[in-house]
Order: sequence, then C-alpha cells, then structure tokens
Amino acid sequence: KNEVEQSPQNLTAQEGEFITINCSYSVGISALHWLQQHPGGGIVSLFMLSSGKKKHGRLIATINIQEKHSSLHITASHPRDSAVYICAVAYGGSQGNLIFGKGTKLSVKP
Amino acid sequence: GAGVSQSPSNKVTEKGKDVELRCDPISGHTALYWYRQSLGQGLEFLIYFQGNSAPDKSGLPSDRFSAERTGGSVSTLTIQRTQQEDSAVYLCASSTRDSSYNSPLHFGNGTRLTVT
Repeated sequence: KNEVEQSPQNLTAQEGEFITINCSYSVGISALHWLQQHPGGGIVSLFMLSSGKKKHGRLIATINIQEKHSSLHITASHPRDSAVYICAVAYGGSQGNLIFGKGTKLSVKP
Repeated sequence: GAGVSQSPSNKVTEKGKDVELRCDPISGHTALYWYRQSLGQGLEFLIYFQGNSAPDKSGLPSDRFSAERTGGSVSTLTIQRTQQEDSAVYLCASSTRDSSYNSPLHFGNGTRLTVT
C-alpha cells in the first residue's frame, strides 16, 4: 500500500520568508501532484510532475524519484499564500486513482 | 463558465434517503474523477472515468455508491440509503486525459453533503 506523508502538518511563516513543504511516498509512482486548497474549500492544481523540477512564479516543485520525495517551495511568501497544500500521487495503471497526503496548513503573517 | 461545475453546492438529507450529485466537466475533458473529503480526513479517491474505458471503481466505499457518466460528459454520483458517515464534501475534477504528464486536474467547488 502506498503511503503519502507530508511535513510539516502546520507551518506559520512571516511574510517574505522562504517556505518548504515536504512529501514522501513509499512505492514507485507515475506522477505527483501538488494542490492548493483555499480557506473557502476550492482546490487548485499547482504542479504535476514525474521527474525533475517545475517553476511557476514564486512556486517551485521538485521530485527525487530515487528517494521517493518531493518538495514544494514558496519564495518571498505572502499572506495570500495561506492555504492547505496537498501532495497526491498516482501509481499503477489507473492514473486517476490518487493517494493524498493529509495536507500542510500554511499561515503567512504580514 | 469554463470551469468544472457541481450541483447542488449543499445538500442536507435524512438518513436512509438516496441522493444524486452532479458534475459537469470542462468541455473536451475526457477524464473525470470523483473524490470526497470528510471532516478531519484527507481527500480520498472514489471513481475515475477515462473516455470510453471501463471506469476505475476501486475507491467506492460500499455498494451503496455508484456513478455513471453519460455521453462522455456529465457525471452523476448516487448514494443510496445514505448513512451519517457519508457526510463529506464530494469533489469532482476533470482533465484533458488521465492525470499524468501535462494534464493537470481541474476541480469543481464540491457538494457538501450532510446526512442527518
């Protein structure tokens, strides 16, 4: 059974700080997603990656297939980045069958 | 609108009643997914439709749950004889193909189901 572990569970930062959220999984995967869930509940897909690194604005996602680990970085954090960040992995034949981490609740203080 | 649309946004039902939740995916998206998020729990996979292939139903928690997708577009998730533990936010997502490579998921705003 594939387990997805995220750390930290909760994170409080000051505006401008560099933030890292980690995700580890236990078996080989075909893709990994980083999702953002806003306080109102809406979910937005931030990244989907199967290798290497992706960057979008102030967000960077990396994945190390050998170590079964991914990180989400936020540079120059802002209060509007406050949300729950969720890691999810797809493995096996069904790409839609995602296993989700429990999420990291980020609060960025002005 | 261009996004994934779910209806109703909220549903309160009595234990034992049947409910139907609807999802309109983004036009042209061949892959459609149902997930649920229970209070205090993470997201969990329910069912996945990809084109004309047989759906992956491996996440459905019991035979009270079923889903169909008509014409490759709209999907309905049906819960029969609802139980209190079915209370959750049911989320639908779609993508242009399966959730791999450059086909990110687009989520709807969910249906909050409360079983009393």
